[in-house]
Amino acid sequence: NAGVTQTPKFRVLKTGQSMTLLCAQDMNHEYMYWYRQDPGMGLRLIHYSVGEGTTAKGEVPDGYNVSRLKKQNFLLGLESAAPSQTSVYFCASSYNGNVLTFGAGSRLTVL
Amino acid sequence: DQQVKQNSPSLSVQEGRISILNCDYTNSMFDYFLWYKKYPAEGPTFLISISSIKDKNEDGRFTVFLNKSAKHLSLHIVPSQPGDSAVYFCAASARVTGNQFYFGTGTSLTVIP
Repeated sequence: NAGVTQTPKFRVLKTGQSMTLLCAQDMNHEYMYWYRQDPGMGLRLIHYSVGEGTTAKGEVPDGYNVSRLKKQNFLLGLESAAPSQTSVYFCASSYNGNVLTFGAGSRLTVL
Repeated sequence: DQQVKQNSPSLSVQEGRISILNCDYTNSMFDYFLWYKKYPAEGPTFLISISSIKDKNEDGRFTVFLNKSAKHLSLHIVPSQPGDSAVYFCAASARVTGNQFYFGTGTSLTVIP
């Protein structure tokens, strides 16, 4: 009963470094999402995918790239990290786009 | 521009009393709404949803009310329990334009024993 698993849980980066956050779900869900949560801002959608091989931009896509090569995985990449990308990142998945199941979050600090 | 707003950052309620959490939205295309509950260091968990064809949905102690003309929804928790202490997020989507959910900023509920 893993649900949605995010790795890593914590990461500290220096400005300009790159990294990838991995999201894996074992529920055979079609839809997957990446959100970021910042104080006073709630959850904001970065990118999402409605099926394997598809991706789309959300509210705040700049500075991020995503890939959905396998149905169960959704990767979020930062090519050149900036301090403004310090945040808690949540991955979510959904069977039909109606109810989201979230992972536990990945806390990223960019120095 | 925030399309979903939760104007009360925090709320304290005595155990056994009713908790009412409010949410306003601006986009008239939104037709599906959810409430999520979040404990510290965990991801949000789904609580209850409502479609725009309804004005009320109940699930045990939780009831969500939707007022489409006012673009307002509320979550009622009766009776409130200490385990309900968490941050509550409302979210909205316009299913005809895709599956993007827009979240509010959250309300931190504290239920006092």
